Amino acid sequence: EIVLTQSPATLSLSPGERATLSCRASQSVSSYLAWYQQKPGQAPRLLIYDASNRATGIPARFSGSGSGTDFTLTISSLEPEDFAVYYCQHRSSWPRTFGPGTKVDVK
Amino acid sequence: QVQLQESGPGLVKPSQTLSLTCTVSGASISRGGYYWSWIRQHPGKGLEWIGYIFYSGSTYYNPSLKSRVTMSLDTSKNQFSLKLTSVTAADTAVYYCARDYDFLDVWGQGTTVTVSS
Repeated sequence: EIVLTQSPATLSLSPGERATLSCRASQSVSSYLAWYQQKPGQAPRLLIYDASNRATGIPARFSGSGSGTDFTLTISSLEPEDFAVYYCQHRSSWPRTFGPGTKVDVK
Repeated sequence: QVQLQESGPGLVKPSQTLSLTCTVSGASISRGGYYWSWIRQHPGKGLEWIGYIFYSGSTYYNPSLKSRVTMSLDTSKNQFSLKLTSVTAADTAVYYCARDYDFLDVWGQGTTVTVSS
């Protein structure tokens, strides 16, 4: 089973700042990595798939990069609605696994 | 617009079977191309992928739950279902169904299941 680790666990930033979230895989997942956003009481929402492709309706301030074992989700300028928990997930092999999440909160 | 909705008991007694159904609207589960997955989230914790069922009926279950999980399709009702046997308090979680196109692009709202006597 591929283990995903995310850092930092919590990121405290102000609106308008840039957020950089990291996801690292225990072995290569090629570019088969997705990012999800989850707000309290809501289901996760797909943001990025296959490392760098924005899902339908996702604003351009969200971008993803990386391949192999190291990936980054960048939010170029935080909007108030972006404060949430972010998860990465791979689809390289079964079982698919998720990272433990990074919480982006208001500084 | 594709929508998924979970349904089932919110309270299950220990050692009994948890049964949930996901009703899909806006898409046919009998069309190929998608897996139909279940994911759960323990209180205050991260996400755990339980498994999927394909339109053909083939399944894959997370090895950590494989001995207790069964998934099935009801194409006449455009639904798929999850059964988890011999539940314990550790199975208390929010259970989500999702459309799986190698990534989970459409999710249900989730249903909370509590295991308690």
